[in-house]
Amino acid sequence: GENVEQHPSTLSVQEGDSAVIKCTYSDSASNYFPWYKQELGKRPQLIIDIRSNVGEKKDQRIAVTLNKTAKHFSLHITETQPEDSAVYFCAASKSYGQNFVFGPGTRLSVLP
Amino acid sequence: DVKVTQSSRYLVKRTGEKVFLECVQDMDHENMFWYRQDPGLGLRLIYFSYDVKMKEKGDIPEGYSVSREKKERFSLILESASTNQTSMYLCASSLSTRELFFGEGSRLTVL
Repeated sequence: GENVEQHPSTLSVQEGDSAVIKCTYSDSASNYFPWYKQELGKRPQLIIDIRSNVGEKKDQRIAVTLNKTAKHFSLHITETQPEDSAVYFCAASKSYGQNFVFGPGTRLSVLP
Repeated sequence: DVKVTQSSRYLVKRTGEKVFLECVQDMDHENMFWYRQDPGLGLRLIYFSYDVKMKEKGDIPEGYSVSREKKERFSLILESASTNQTSMYLCASSLSTRELFFGEGSRLTVL
């Protein structure tokens, strides 16, 4: 089955710096890659996603890149702010009707 | 706004007890999921359901069962709770298998 690895497990950056979180997946049939953010004590929420027919997607300070050949995708956060501090999960899923496999998560701390 | 409600935020049970975790969504989503969240392990899928009375095993179904008698309600059942089932349990729903909408979570402690 699918296996999703995520690195680093913890990341600390200064406010205003960029943060990058990387994920790899094992199943070449996976074609949808969402990122979820979970603030302390709250539910995970979708922040951005990418489909396998796209190489990059941006939404304000957040971007995701996908390399299908290498089977890895990354989350980029620019101009980090304290409210970006959270646990971030990447995930992969196959086509319609299949479940998600999540990575183990990255705890991002943005230091003022 | 999609609302996914889990009946209990915190539960403390004893080993061997039967435990019910209830989840209700109000957006007519056909897909519902139960995940378990443990530090360093991320979110692991226990069971999911794509329709009423339908269920599929996820990655870690052992020790759990589920029930979906109505479209809006998906229940997770621990027939005989054990200490290694102490965890955070998250319910989620989706209209397709794209965005998941999660509940607040149920933190279960088994003594």
